[in-house]
Amino acid sequence: AQRVTQPEKLLSVFKGAPVELKCNYSYSGSPELFWYVQYSRQRLQLLLRHISRESIKGFTADLNKGETSFHLKKPFAQEEDSAMYYCAQNTGNQFYFGTGTSLTVIP
Amino acid sequence: NAGVTQTPKFRVLKTGQSMTLLCAQDMNHEYMYWYRQDPGMGLRLIHYSVGEGTTAKGEVPDGYNVSRLKKQNFLLGLESAAPSQTSVYFCASSYSGTSGSKNEQFFGPGTRLTVL
Repeated sequence: AQRVTQPEKLLSVFKGAPVELKCNYSYSGSPELFWYVQYSRQRLQLLLRHISRESIKGFTADLNKGETSFHLKKPFAQEEDSAMYYCAQNTGNQFYFGTGTSLTVIP
Repeated sequence: NAGVTQTPKFRVLKTGQSMTLLCAQDMNHEYMYWYRQDPGMGLRLIHYSVGEGTTAKGEVPDGYNVSRLKKQNFLLGLESAAPSQTSVYFCASSYSGTSGSKNEQFFGPGTRLTVL
């Protein structure tokens, strides 16, 4: 079974500190990986995808096939980054989401 | 554009009752999905559809049925609700399901269902 693992349920960092949300996947082929974010009282929405290799809201994520990881990073956390973050992978027609990491940025 | 809408927003059922959740999208998306979100479990795919008239099972399909009679609507049915089906249900849609830039999923606001 395809699985996405997010080992941290809760993560707290101080404003201005670096943040890294971990994600590991188990798909043996060429996965397509995403980070989705859910801000308080908002819908789940796409943050970034690995094929785009872009930085969104200061966040980046690099696919590491050797470590089967797709960690989300931001060098300087902001209060507005507090949200629930989900890592997801697309294998064919199905998306598999991780269990999510709740990020709190402390002022 | 309303995007993805879900009806109802909240519902309380008694064990054994039935109900249908409606998902509608106005983006002309081919793919639609139903997920359930439970604490500590993340989002799990229940059923999905790759086009009008087609449905397929996801990761946790037992106890649910779906129909996609119209391209813009995706219905999720619970024939005999059980307390284990207490959850938040999310609908999503995407233009495509395969790899590429068009498989971004757009989510609805969710339906909170409680089964007593």
